[in-house]
Amino acid sequence: DTGVSQNPRHKITKRGQNVTFRCDPISEHNRLYWYRQTLGQGPEFLTYFQNEAQLEKSRLLSDRFSAERPKGSFSTLEIQRTEQGDSAMYLCASSAGTSGNVNEQFFGPGTRLTVL
Amino acid sequence: GESVGLHLPTLSVQEGDNSIINCAYSNSASDYFIWYKQESGKGPQFIIDIRSNMDKRQGQRVTVLLNKTVKHLSLQIAATQPGDSAVYFCAESRTYKYIFGTGTRLKVLA
Repeated sequence: DTGVSQNPRHKITKRGQNVTFRCDPISEHNRLYWYRQTLGQGPEFLTYFQNEAQLEKSRLLSDRFSAERPKGSFSTLEIQRTEQGDSAMYLCASSAGTSGNVNEQFFGPGTRLTVL
Repeated sequence: GESVGLHLPTLSVQEGDNSIINCAYSNSASDYFIWYKQESGKGPQFIIDIRSNMDKRQGQRVTVLLNKTVKHLSLQIAATQPGDSAVYFCAESRTYKYIFGTGTRLKVLA
């Protein structure tokens, strides 16, 4: 257990529905990342927060995707009007911004999304 | 449980032997490299990292080698154990964003 938690662990939804995932990073970490992983592939970067500011969004993150980190602690990732191509594992990671190895990212267990 | 990396390259080694997993990275400007282990149904777990000003770093039973000339990274696992069976990913970074390579499935044979 890395200390990063994600909920739910699994989500099955019908095409067209909206879904929201939550990530709770390690408490003292001010950097938070979302990645997407499909079967047979490594994780792909989606977006990055430093505290509450979203500093980068991948072009993979279409306008149906939105991520927030309102108080610089937990983060949510929402997918609107889900499509079957959104089926994937959504991973959250966090890293320390001010001490220790600021580059080392600790990953949560992921949320597995299945869109029917 | 779910399967990570159904069609990944596979390395099969006998228990107790040493394993070497290779990775080619893409960006010559990357200055930080990491190896992660991922078991089915779990998120990636940090194994070892190395910065570009080094060419070798050792941890407990693991060694990472970096060859910047050919943009190659390797992970050596000594005395491979059944618990080492997993998919292994390398990642490169220049800023905060990790770029992951294609994983390698390690199978440890009893």
